[in-house]
Amino acid sequence: GAGVSQSPRYKVAKRGQDVALRCDPISGHVSLFWYQQALGQGPEFLTYFQNEAQLDKSGLPSDRFFAERPEGSVSTLKIQRTQQEDSAVYLCASSLALRTSTNNEQFFGPGTRLTVL
Amino acid sequence: LAKTTQPISMDSYEGQEVNITCSHNNIATNDYITWYQQFPSQGPRFIIQGYKTKVTNEVASLFIPADRKSSTLSLPRVSLSDTAVYYCLVGSFNDMRFGAGTRLTVKP
Repeated sequence: GAGVSQSPRYKVAKRGQDVALRCDPISGHVSLFWYQQALGQGPEFLTYFQNEAQLDKSGLPSDRFFAERPEGSVSTLKIQRTQQEDSAVYLCASSLALRTSTNNEQFFGPGTRLTVL
Repeated sequence: LAKTTQPISMDSYEGQEVNITCSHNNIATNDYITWYQQFPSQGPRFIIQGYKTKVTNEVASLFIPADRKSSTLSLPRVSLSDTAVYYCLVGSFNDMRFGAGTRLTVKP
């Protein structure tokens, strides 16, 4: 079956532009995560959704970052007024499990590589 | 949140068994230990998860001593396609933190 998909795969933005990154999770997956991965580093948690509810946004680095999942399926990560330090790969992951689960298996998409010039 | 320490890199040869050890001295009672694998230009992929003792699946084994302050991921008979970054994570479902991982290079 289809896995997690993300679009676009690559995005180049000029400093100050707004960008929107899309994530299509596996159908039926309740939980959805966004991560930011800098070059040579591991993914860093940004935010977590359970269905349409954003239960944790503690990892969002600034108020320029905004995520939504209005119907509990597709999610969009929006970055306003992009800065060079926002350049990274943005990963989306989904899971059948709920936050109270002991199952830590998340299914990751291929990521969107954002380059801010 | 428990911090993990693992080697930055390891080299191996095809057909060998590879053991990657992760230290997590401050692991909490409710924390699980999870390992992910990541290839270039791909998202991480779940390998294995455990709480204590030994867990084995079709891909790897995970050894966890009684004090749970470390864990060892064992990959039997690696091939060139096992060249990747391996991450050890300790925590609960929505509170997992990836470190820098271990870059495993398998040579012919």
